[in-house]
Amino acid sequence: NAGVTQTPKFQVLKTGQSMTLQCAQDMNHEYMSWYRQDPGMGLRLIHYSVGAGITDQGEVPNGYNVSRSTTEDFPLRLLSAAPSQTSVYFCASTSRDRGNTIYFGEGSWLTVV
Amino acid sequence: ILNVEQSPQSLHVQEGDSTNFTCSFPSSNFYALHWYRWETAKSPEALFVMTLNGDEKKKGRISATLNTKEGYSYLYIKGSQPEDSATYLCALRSDSGYSTLTFGKGTMLLVSP
Repeated sequence: NAGVTQTPKFQVLKTGQSMTLQCAQDMNHEYMSWYRQDPGMGLRLIHYSVGAGITDQGEVPNGYNVSRSTTEDFPLRLLSAAPSQTSVYFCASTSRDRGNTIYFGEGSWLTVV
Repeated sequence: ILNVEQSPQSLHVQEGDSTNFTCSFPSSNFYALHWYRWETAKSPEALFVMTLNGDEKKKGRISATLNTKEGYSYLYIKGSQPEDSATYLCALRSDSGYSTLTFGKGTMLLVSP
């Protein structure tokens, strides 16, 4: 089982460049989301989706866009990268079931110089 | 934004020691409580999802308890091994909506041989 797949694993960007982090899941989960992990902070929610065609903002959405054209895919776009977006990004998915686990991808390490 | 606190922030024990960590959360905002084990450069690994007051769950040498009335959960590791070294995250789900998952900052455990 592939689970949640994120690409790329590592990326260095220059300030002002744009890029897309890809996320795909093969578990037919309704819910998908993107988090960022920074030193000394918990995982913070950037954007999430409760189904294809539906997205919403989390705690720290500024500078990021998402779309959910299919159940499987949930890409995160950085519109104009800034050094403050240097972070580790995790994609996650789960279903509506209260007791269901949230599954994470392996993370994408992004450095903006 | 809910306040999910984890203590201690870090812990260094010797192989064979037993240890425990705490996750505190607002008791009025409880829907489910997740525990994850996270090693750097890997995806967070789900340990437990706890939904009922008084829940006790066990996975090998790791166990967890839940008190929703007073707003805390304990994670116990019996006979710690070096491979238990990781960051342990708890996350509070405060209602059925997916966006309402709040992570603590984690407890970093180091087990020396």
